[in-house]
Amino acid sequence: NAGVMQNPRHLVRRRGQEARLRCSPMKGHSHVYWYRQLPEEGLKFMVYLQKENIIDESGMPKERFSAEFPKEGPSILRIQQVVRGDSAAYFCASSRPSGAGNTGELFFGEGSRLTVL
Amino acid sequence: AQSVTQPDIHITVSEGASLELRCNYSYGATPYLFWYVQSPGQGLQLLLKYFSGDTLVQGIKGFEAEFKRSQSSFNLRKPSVHWSDAAEYFCAVPNQAGTALIFGKGTTLSVSS
Repeated sequence: NAGVMQNPRHLVRRRGQEARLRCSPMKGHSHVYWYRQLPEEGLKFMVYLQKENIIDESGMPKERFSAEFPKEGPSILRIQQVVRGDSAAYFCASSRPSGAGNTGELFFGEGSRLTVL
Repeated sequence: AQSVTQPDIHITVSEGASLELRCNYSYGATPYLFWYVQSPGQGLQLLLKYFSGDTLVQGIKGFEAEFKRSQSSFNLRKPSVHWSDAAEYFCAVPNQAGTALIFGKGTTLSVSS
């Protein structure tokens, strides 16, 4: 009975490298959300995806960040040319097709903690 | 624009004492409101939610929250805190597009013995 699965749990990258974070939603969930958490700043919404579609990316930085949720396989958050300011915990959540606004029932993974050296 | 304010960054409560965590929101219409809890190193778990109807909602782990429209508040309460309640608590509302939840900055609860 797997919940939202994120990997890796911890990732260390040097400045300029690429980071790829993966998220498999709960079974039966077709909506995926990515959030970033910085100390004392709470969770910041980044992007909301359905299978093969980006629905809302209003929280994504304009450069270096991208996300996808292919027909098959996990959702991926990709950060190119990482900088120290990208160090944070990145959380993925999933929901049933009714979405976050209707139910609020977001199921969160345990997060991926990115450290940029 | 929708927003959530949690005025208290950190609260310490004695075990067995009552708890109230504050949440104030800004929302254009009747809001949906949520409380989530995050234990260290973990993801967030839904405690309770308000959509409509009874303004006092019950959640898991003995928590409840009361929606007060006149005060734009949705405070979380528990009559008797247990040491295992030590965690970070987040209040949330949907964004304007209804595509995601906006979270407050959180309140860290410490429980003293």
